[in-house]
Amino acid sequence: AQSVTQLDSHVSVSEGTPVLLRCNYSSSYSPSLFWYVQHPNKGLQLLLKYTSAATLVKGINGFEAEFKKSETSFHLTKPSAHMSDAAEYFCVVSDIWVNSGYSTLTFGKGTMLLVSP
Amino acid sequence: EAGVTQSPTHLIKTRGQQATLRCSPISGHTSVYWYQQALGLGLQFLLWYDEGEERNRGNFPPRFSGRQFPNYSSELNVNALELEDSALYLCASSLALGGPNYGYTFGSGTRLTVV
Repeated sequence: AQSVTQLDSHVSVSEGTPVLLRCNYSSSYSPSLFWYVQHPNKGLQLLLKYTSAATLVKGINGFEAEFKKSETSFHLTKPSAHMSDAAEYFCVVSDIWVNSGYSTLTFGKGTMLLVSP
Repeated sequence: EAGVTQSPTHLIKTRGQQATLRCSPISGHTSVYWYQQALGLGLQFLLWYDEGEERNRGNFPPRFSGRQFPNYSSELNVNALELEDSALYLCASSLALGGPNYGYTFGSGTRLTVV
């Protein structure tokens, strides 16, 4: 079974300071990992994805994440926060069980990023 | 390219009624996923359709059902609505079995309010 743990429910930063949103996962198979962002009353937007290629993944809006298998982590970072980054962020793990055609997508509980001026 | 579209954006129903939510996937995507995002419960997987068939189902009662049409659009039906069904319902689409490699594209959701 797979699971995702987002270690912080809320993270507060000042504009211009670095952002770190932490995510740990467990998976029985070689997983794909994603970060999505959700602005208030909006759907989910894909920030970046890891699919067993380069372990450092660059996404949109200056975000990046590093896949660390030994630590089962996939933390999201950004060097300098903008006010527009204030939103909820979801770490997601996906397994595909090829033989059964079974695919699952498991969401973390989300981290609310608050950015102050 | 049009994204995943969901309709209606808002829906208000009375307890006991039925609600029908619709989703049109990105052109070329054959898999459609439904999620419920209720306050305090996070995103919970409801249903997955691919090529017109239900492939997987989350831990929801049978009054949550749906279908996928030949053009790959999908419908989610919720019967005998209860107050706790009030939530944002999100639809996502992906290439067939390709979600883990190519990602999932989400719509903006339908906000269902049961009164």
